[in-house]
Amino acid sequence: AQKITQTQPGMFVQEKEAVTLDCTYDTSDQSYGLFWYKQPSSGEMIFLIYQGSYDEQNATEGRYSLNFQKARKSANLVISASQLGDSAMYFCAMRVKRGSNYKLTFGKGTLLTVNP
Amino acid sequence: NAGVMQNPRHLVRRRGQEARLRCSPMKGHSHVYWYRQLPEEGLKFMVYLQKENIIDESGMPKERFSAEFPKEGPSILRIQQVVRGDSAAYFCASSPREGSYEQYFGPGTRLTVT
Repeated sequence: AQKITQTQPGMFVQEKEAVTLDCTYDTSDQSYGLFWYKQPSSGEMIFLIYQGSYDEQNATEGRYSLNFQKARKSANLVISASQLGDSAMYFCAMRVKRGSNYKLTFGKGTLLTVNP
Repeated sequence: NAGVMQNPRHLVRRRGQEARLRCSPMKGHSHVYWYRQLPEEGLKFMVYLQKENIIDESGMPKERFSAEFPKEGPSILRIQQVVRGDSAAYFCASSPREGSYEQYFGPGTRLTVT
C-alpha cells in the first residue's frame, strides 16, 4: 500500500524567508509521481509542482522547488521568499498506477502560516 | 477555458436524505476522479470514471454511495440516506487522458449533514 507522511502539522515562517515542508513516502512501485498541492482557506486545491520517480533533476516552478531524495523516499517542498499569500494548507501526494487508474494518495497536510 | 466546475458549492442535508453532487470536467477531459476530504485530513480517493464507465471504485463505501459519468452531462456522485459521518468536502478532478499526470481539481462541494 502507498503511504504519504507529513510530520509537520503546522509551520511558521517570516515573510521573505524560505521554508521547507517535509514529505516522506512509502511504495514498492518503481514508477510513481509526487505532487504538492496548496489549499487556501477558500478550499480549492491548487497544483504546485510534480516530480516523476525517474526524473534526475529536482523539479522547480517559480518559487517552488521539490527536493527529491529517492533513497530516503523524501519529497520536500521548498518555498523561497515566502509571501503572505502563501499561508495555506499544503498537501503532498503520490500517484501510482493500478490497472488503468492513476489515483492519488494524499498526506494529512501541513498548515503554513507566513508572518509579516 | 473554464476549469472544473462543481455544484453545489455547499449542500446541507438532514440525516436520511439523498445528496447529489455534480462535476463538470474541463472541456475535452473524459476522465474524472472523486475524492473525499474529512475534517483535518487529506483527500482520499473514492472512484475513477471515464465516460460511461466506472474504472476503479475501490475507495467508495460499498453501501449508499454511487457514481456515474454519462455520455452527456456532468459526473454525479450520489449519496443515499446520508449520515453525519458523510459530512465532508467532496472534490472532483478531471484529466485529459489515461496516464496523464495532470489532475485538475474543482473547488469542491462541502456537504453538511444535520
